[in-house]
Amino acid sequence: AQSVTQPDIHITVSEGASLELRCNYSYGATPYLFWYVQSPGQGLQLLLKYFSGDTLVQGIKGFEAEFKRSQSSFNLRKPSVHWSDAAEYFCAVGGYSGGGADGLTFGKGTHLIIQP
Amino acid sequence: EPEVTQTPSHQVTQMGQEVILRCVPISNHLYFYWYRQILGQKVEFLVSFYNNEISEKSEIFDDQFSVERPDGSNFTLKIRSTKLEDSAMYFCASTYTGELFFGEGSRLTVL
Repeated sequence: AQSVTQPDIHITVSEGASLELRCNYSYGATPYLFWYVQSPGQGLQLLLKYFSGDTLVQGIKGFEAEFKRSQSSFNLRKPSVHWSDAAEYFCAVGGYSGGGADGLTFGKGTHLIIQP
Repeated sequence: EPEVTQTPSHQVTQMGQEVILRCVPISNHLYFYWYRQILGQKVEFLVSFYNNEISEKSEIFDDQFSVERPDGSNFTLKIRSTKLEDSAMYFCASTYTGELFFGEGSRLTVL
């Protein structure tokens, strides 16, 4: 069964500082990996995705993530956070297995707080 | 850019009432999904649908839930007799390639 672990429930970062949100996954086939951001009361916005190829993927809003197969990780990074980055961040894993497109399994989320 | 649309954006209902949440997936997508997010919690998989039948469902998706694709464009989630704990945001998603595209969600409040 697929699963996603986001070990940090809350992270507080000063504005302008760098950020890394951790994500570890378990998936039986080649994984598709995603990071979504959710502001309070809003829907899910896709930040970036990894399907194959270059293990360092660039996303919107200056975010990037690196897929490390040996560590089963897909950590999200940003070199300099802005106050508007405060939100909930979800890592998700999915893919194709058994002949069908698997639904996504989400982590529990990391709540990002930005200090002025 | 094509998008997944959901209606209503917010529905308030009394406990025990039936609710139908509607979704229009992206037109060339083949796989459809419903997810649920209780306030403050993670997004949970409910059900996936392919080739006019359920392909997978979670333990949350009990006999009170059903899905249908009645006309080739809409994809509906029905809750037969709502409970207080059904209050949540419900997200519809669709895909052709494995990248899921999500709608904005339907917020269900059960009183």
